[in-house]
Amino acid sequence: DVKVTQSSRYLVKRTGEKVFLECVQDMDHENMFWYRQDPGLGLRLIYFSYDVKMKEKGDIPEGYSVSREKKERFSLILESASTNQTSMYLCASNLNTGELFFGEGSRLTVL
Amino acid sequence: ELKVEQNPLFLSMQEGKNYTIYCNYSTTSDRLYWYRQDPGKSLESLFVLLSNGAVKQEGRLMASLDTKARLSTLHITAAVHDLSATYFCAVDQHTDKLIFGTGTRLQVFP
Repeated sequence: DVKVTQSSRYLVKRTGEKVFLECVQDMDHENMFWYRQDPGLGLRLIYFSYDVKMKEKGDIPEGYSVSREKKERFSLILESASTNQTSMYLCASNLNTGELFFGEGSRLTVL
Repeated sequence: ELKVEQNPLFLSMQEGKNYTIYCNYSTTSDRLYWYRQDPGKSLESLFVLLSNGAVKQEGRLMASLDTKARLSTLHITAAVHDLSATYFCAVDQHTDKLIFGTGTRLQVFP
């Protein structure tokens, strides 16, 4: 069965803290993605990666960075969390093209 | 820039009724996906539409794609409470990225 696992379902952090969101997929997919989901705005792409150590900016990369040291793992980093980064973060992966497989999501609250 | 619009944004419907959710997109694409999201959960793939005229059906849901009109529809037949969820369409730009609509929140009541 296809599996995308996000390490933390719920996090509460303080403004200025560094935040790591981890995502692991077991499907040997080349592509991995980080989206954020906010009410009324749908899903917006933050960063994606099509290979190990490769990354591309999505539509809203400001305030975020990513790391992909291994094919199965894609991390989203908030260097200095701010309250406007309170959101649901969704990791996804796919094979070259097409259908995305999503993780369960990480709900981040920044106080 | 590709834009994807869904309507309605919110749909409250009675059990047993039929309704259609619309997904319009702004630039040429021949691949479109429908996802379902239950409250507090992640997105689950429903349909993959890969060509003009594609039609897929699963239970009470049927999705279709008209690439010339840049329109996809998700038709609900004889709605039941279990269909209550948020439905997203997503369009493929042929760049490995999907652009999502804002979602349609469906609520089915007795």
